[in-house]
Amino acid sequence: KAGVTQTPRYLIKTRGQQVTLSCSPISGHRSVSWYQQTPGQGLQFLFEYFSETQRNKGNFPGRFSGRQFSNSRSEMNVSTLELGDSALYLCASSSGSVAGGYTGELFFGEGSRLTVL
Amino acid sequence: QKEVEQNSGPLSVPEGAIASLNCTYSDRGSQSFFWYRQYSGKSPELIMFIYSNGDKEDGRFTAQLNKASQYVSLLIRDSQPSDSATYLCAVKNYGGSQGNLIFGKGTKLSVKP
Repeated sequence: KAGVTQTPRYLIKTRGQQVTLSCSPISGHRSVSWYQQTPGQGLQFLFEYFSETQRNKGNFPGRFSGRQFSNSRSEMNVSTLELGDSALYLCASSSGSVAGGYTGELFFGEGSRLTVL
Repeated sequence: QKEVEQNSGPLSVPEGAIASLNCTYSDRGSQSFFWYRQYSGKSPELIMFIYSNGDKEDGRFTAQLNKASQYVSLLIRDSQPSDSATYLCAVKNYGGSQGNLIFGKGTKLSVKP
């Protein structure tokens, strides 16, 4: 069973540019979440999509956006890049179902490492 | 601001010892609690989850939850050098969805041979 696939793995951008990151979840998973990981702030939740709808959003500016397609693949976009956006962006997929209180496991991709110069 | 706090470490233990990792959380409505392990340069992977007060054991790992004290811990028995990693505590708050977890900043564990 293929895992969560993120592309690109590494990218370098300059301030003011925009970037689009892609995530293909595990087959059958309908929930895709995005996290930003930095040494100073750790893992911070960006947003979650389930069946093409944004289900939750973290405390990030509107420059960060995302979407999910009918095949559950997801993209996130960051516009007007700032130096502070340099981070590892992790995508995680899950089944999205809740049964008996157990929320299920999040499976993380290897991440997209963004460097903003 | 709902927070999850962990001692950043590094926590250093000798091989074969018990490693104890601790985590506190601020939201009393938190429902589910997770421990993820992240090796350097790798993505987090789930070790254990717990959502009832008490202990939950899985092999060398034991998760402990005390909702009254808003405290969750992970014990690693017979620690091995391969356990050296950063351990992330994560919490799902009441009303939160499955993919929306609040993570602590992690405790770096080093197991010395």
